[in-house]
Amino acid sequence: QKEVEQNSGPLSVPEGAIASLNCTYSDRGSQSFFWYRQYSGKSPELIMFIYSNGDKEDGRFTAQLNKASQYVSLLIRDSQPSDSATYLCTRGTGNQFYFGTGTSLTVIP
Amino acid sequence: EAQVTQNPRYLITVTGKKLTVTCSQNMNHEYMSWYRQDPGLGLRQIYYSMNVEVTDKGDVPEGYKVSRKEKRNFPLILESPSPNQTSLYFCASIPREGVSPYFGPGTRLTVL
Repeated sequence: QKEVEQNSGPLSVPEGAIASLNCTYSDRGSQSFFWYRQYSGKSPELIMFIYSNGDKEDGRFTAQLNKASQYVSLLIRDSQPSDSATYLCTRGTGNQFYFGTGTSLTVIP
Repeated sequence: EAQVTQNPRYLITVTGKKLTVTCSQNMNHEYMSWYRQDPGLGLRQIYYSMNVEVTDKGDVPEGYKVSRKEKRNFPLILESPSPNQTSLYFCASIPREGVSPYFGPGTRLTVL
């Protein structure tokens, strides 16, 4: 019930392309969803959060949530080499958070 | 500056030698948590605390202890470390329910 599933990658995209990262979860009671970016050996950094079905955009990032399908995604437009990192999909219920194992993204200059 | 601090950042120790990793936050958050991160396993919660003197086990509590005597501090104690506790550890605090955790910088622990 706690699982958050992500494709571990690696996902490679050319600079300027759209990177699409996907995540599924098993607990229908999940209330909040987050995407974190993590550079190797560093702490996770919040990129996006989304609570309601639909799309949420913030700059080059768009999070999409479909609770019926238990699916969350993150789109990164105009990908930059600095976006190369591991992206963690996270679901939350109250004060409990469950993390996917991450998708490794490489943006090729 | 709002932050979560951890010390030490790096530690190499030997099996059985007790150690403490400190965690402190300056944001007056009630909720704090410890995670470990291992390749292929992601972030897993060790212990969490909902307030002073209130702690509970997470998903992987074996071999760890915590205490919460003050709101700002939440130390992680390994009474008798073993090599399978070699990992990257993160402390986190949460301002309120449903809001994402703030993570500390991490502590890389190696137990020989």
